[in-house]
Amino acid sequence: DAGVIQSPRHEVTEMGQEVTLRCKPISGHDYLFWYRQTMMRGLELLIYFNNNVPIDDSGMPEDRFSAKMPNASFSTLKIQPSEPRDSAVYFCASTYGQTMNTEAFFGQGTRLTVV
Amino acid sequence: GDSVTQMEGPVTLSEEAFLTINCTYTATGYPSLFWYVQYPGEGLQLLLKATKADDKGSNKGFEATYRKETTSFHLEKGSVQVSDSAVYFCALSDRRGDKIIFGKGTRLHILP
Repeated sequence: DAGVIQSPRHEVTEMGQEVTLRCKPISGHDYLFWYRQTMMRGLELLIYFNNNVPIDDSGMPEDRFSAKMPNASFSTLKIQPSEPRDSAVYFCASTYGQTMNTEAFFGQGTRLTVV
Repeated sequence: GDSVTQMEGPVTLSEEAFLTINCTYTATGYPSLFWYVQYPGEGLQLLLKATKADDKGSNKGFEATYRKETTSFHLEKGSVQVSDSAVYFCALSDRRGDKIIFGKGTRLHILP
């Protein structure tokens, strides 16, 4: 397997524009996580899915953020409208089974810059 | 809620020095504990883990022991190399086991 695949690797957009980040988890994994990494706040869990169903979105900063998982092999994180403070690296990760017993596999991340 | 606190960086050491990165946690019950490493431009990858008290996780010369009495999981390595330069994250998975909570990360620089 090629691992967790995220696209794009880099995104530069203007304030107010819609941004869509994409993630393809490892085949067979049943949990998918979206994290945001910044210098100030470290690695924050935004939302996670189990079997394509959102389980906990309490980390989503506000209504401008939304995430979907229409099938087991694809997820999106959308920001609309984007703001400069959304600039960060966004990671997707997947696991097979619960995280207490298994390794989380991370994608290489999408570096988002909102100007 | 559950949380992880780790020492702030950056930590700068010379090659072959002894490394300790402190990590403490707050959790209900007995979580699983992890150390992940992030090399420049990459995502995180699992370095080692421990799932119960007194367990020792080890990998690539790194070790960490699950100490329930002090709620700690300190990372150690006896002799670091330049290639160990990276950001290290301590993390826990709660008893429900659905998600991983990370510390803020500690950047490590090893000088030749």
